[in-house]
Amino acid sequence: AQTVTQSQPEMSVQEAETVTLSCTYDTSESDYYLFWYKQPPSRQMILVIRQEAYKQQNATENRFSVNFQKAAKSFSLKISDSQLGDAAMYFCAYRAGGGADGLTFGKGTHLIIQP
Amino acid sequence: NAGVTQTPKFQVLKTGQSMTLQCAQDMNHEYMSWYRQDPGMGLRLIHYSVGAGITDQGEVPNGYNVSRSTTEDFPLRLLSAAPSQTSVYFCASSPLLRGLGSYEQYFGPGTRLTVT
Repeated sequence: AQTVTQSQPEMSVQEAETVTLSCTYDTSESDYYLFWYKQPPSRQMILVIRQEAYKQQNATENRFSVNFQKAAKSFSLKISDSQLGDAAMYFCAYRAGGGADGLTFGKGTHLIIQP
Repeated sequence: NAGVTQTPKFQVLKTGQSMTLQCAQDMNHEYMSWYRQDPGMGLRLIHYSVGAGITDQGEVPNGYNVSRSTTEDFPLRLLSAAPSQTSVYFCASSPLLRGLGSYEQYFGPGTRLTVT
């Protein structure tokens, strides 16, 4: 079975600085997708960024980018120019290709933005 | 589009009571799923469905039943609530076809359930 590990329960960063959240995963599949979800205090799950395993290019969405290292099974999230609204829980998630499986989540990283 | 909707938002049950958490989506997604979120944990899959009439168990299915009679609705039933089922429950949906964003799951706002 696949597992997702987030080794940082909490991270703190100064506003406007850059922070990187770590995620590693374990799978024997070759076709899969990786995601970062944000959960603010409202508890709504919001997709931040996605990465298809078959794509070598790292995904980017505005201030958010990933470092996808397929051989190392690593999928870190970099947030540039951190803003107060970025404060939230961040979850790394894995989904096997084919679509019939659900998401496997890490335990999350609580991101604190210091003004 | 309303996306994924869940009712109720909050619920308190006594041990042994039964109830149904409702989930509906208006995006014509084939895939629907239920997760629970406990403190210090990520979301864990309870049950899922790949289409009307088809359901299967996820990681933590015990104590829960599901059915899928229509594409839009996927209710979660607690037959005899236990304190261990105190949690936040999320419903999610996605298409099954491969394509841009096709494996992204869209989440409802969640239901906070307390069992005393």
